[in-house]
Amino acid sequence: LAKTTQPISMDSYEGQEVNITCSHNNIATNDYITWYQQFPSQGPRFIIQGYKTKVTNEVASLFIPADRKSSTLSLPRVSLSDTAVYYCLVGDMRYNAGNMLTFGGGTRLMVKP
Amino acid sequence: DTGVSQDPRHKITKRGQNVTFRCDPISEHNRLYWYRQTLGQGPEFLTYFQNEAQLEKSRLLSDRFSAERPKGSFSTLEIQRTEQGDSAMYLCASGKGLADQETQYFGPGTRLLVL
Repeated sequence: LAKTTQPISMDSYEGQEVNITCSHNNIATNDYITWYQQFPSQGPRFIIQGYKTKVTNEVASLFIPADRKSSTLSLPRVSLSDTAVYYCLVGDMRYNAGNMLTFGGGTRLMVKP
Repeated sequence: DTGVSQDPRHKITKRGQNVTFRCDPISEHNRLYWYRQTLGQGPEFLTYFQNEAQLEKSRLLSDRFSAERPKGSFSTLEIQRTEQGDSAMYLCASGKGLADQETQYFGPGTRLLVL
């Protein structure tokens, strides 16, 4: 099973770039990597998903090295409103649905003024 | 607002009572998921449906929990004989159901307090 490991918490300041790394040493060939953001008292919100190399959208970038044993979520120029918990999930709905649906503890990002 | 709605948003009940929650997914989504989340923890997967078929159930889902998705549209989650340990946020999500990838769109959740 592709268990994920993330830092429990991170601090940053407004305007900085934040990189959150997730380790998934046992990732399977078919597994995708997905990141969600969650604010207090709300459901998680999809941020980005990727399989290899680099994926970028209007919110974040996802960097995946060639061995795919880790991935890094990059948030450019964070603001106070980016203070949230960030979850990394790894799986494939055909063969590894349980993993794709396992959120773990996440990383609590605190952005300070 | 993701387009996934849940009702009620809050529920207070006494131990031993039954409760039922409803989830209305995004209309074109054929997968529907239920999670439970307690304070300070990530969401825990409970069960999911592909259309009306319940494809997977977590071992966390005790016999007191049952979920249905008649006609593959809305879903209900019922908890019988509630216990104080059932107090949590119950989250519903829906997804398009691609073969391998999945992006889940979560509702606002139903917060349950069992007294």
